[in-house]
Amino acid sequence: ETGVTQTPRHLVMGMTNKKSLKCEQHLGHNAMYWYKQSAKKPLELMFVYNFKEQTENNSVPSRFSPECPNSSHLFLHLHTLQPEDSALYLCASSQDWGGYQETQYFGPGTRLLVL
Amino acid sequence: GQNIDQPTEMTATEGAIVQINCTYQTSGFNGLFWYQQHAGEAPTFLSYNVLDGLEEKGRFSSFLSRSKGYSYLLLKELQMKDSASYLCAVRDGDYKLSFGAGTTVTVRA
Repeated sequence: ETGVTQTPRHLVMGMTNKKSLKCEQHLGHNAMYWYKQSAKKPLELMFVYNFKEQTENNSVPSRFSPECPNSSHLFLHLHTLQPEDSALYLCASSQDWGGYQETQYFGPGTRLLVL
Repeated sequence: GQNIDQPTEMTATEGAIVQINCTYQTSGFNGLFWYQQHAGEAPTFLSYNVLDGLEEKGRFSSFLSRSKGYSYLLLKELQMKDSASYLCAVRDGDYKLSFGAGTTVTVRA
């Protein structure tokens, strides 16, 4: 248990569906992140939120829409996805963004399959 | 962009030592992290280096040479539970973490 939870753990969706991934951290952190992990590829940073404000959008397609209502919760809204979006989506949190020795703590991820 | 290289796979015997190398080329440097990720689980933090030298933490040690853009993770007295993927990650000048593709370590009895 890292203190970061994600739901659902597994998701299968069609290309026309709309779904949302949820992340919650119980560590009192101020920064939260979304990463994409595809097989045999490096983790790719998607979005960064610091104190509920989006500070990074790593050229992510608009079919992925993040939402951060407070420092403990982070959502990733999905719509009209493509099969190549199938991957493990990881959420992480850290005390702050840009701190000297910031360690990011990861959730277990949501395994997404787009049909 | 950032470039972080590590071997894809390594195999070793229980009780042995394995060294996982990581080389990096990034725009700026604000520390290097190693994470362990078991299949189907979250990456978990192992170590952090920002100054040159060796950091030891039990059976695991991590080394950094900033001038060479090089780090290694040393796993001693390997146990079966150490079979996992090990991720090297570098924080660049903009404080973004860039990850290598990971090294899958298989420990054999």
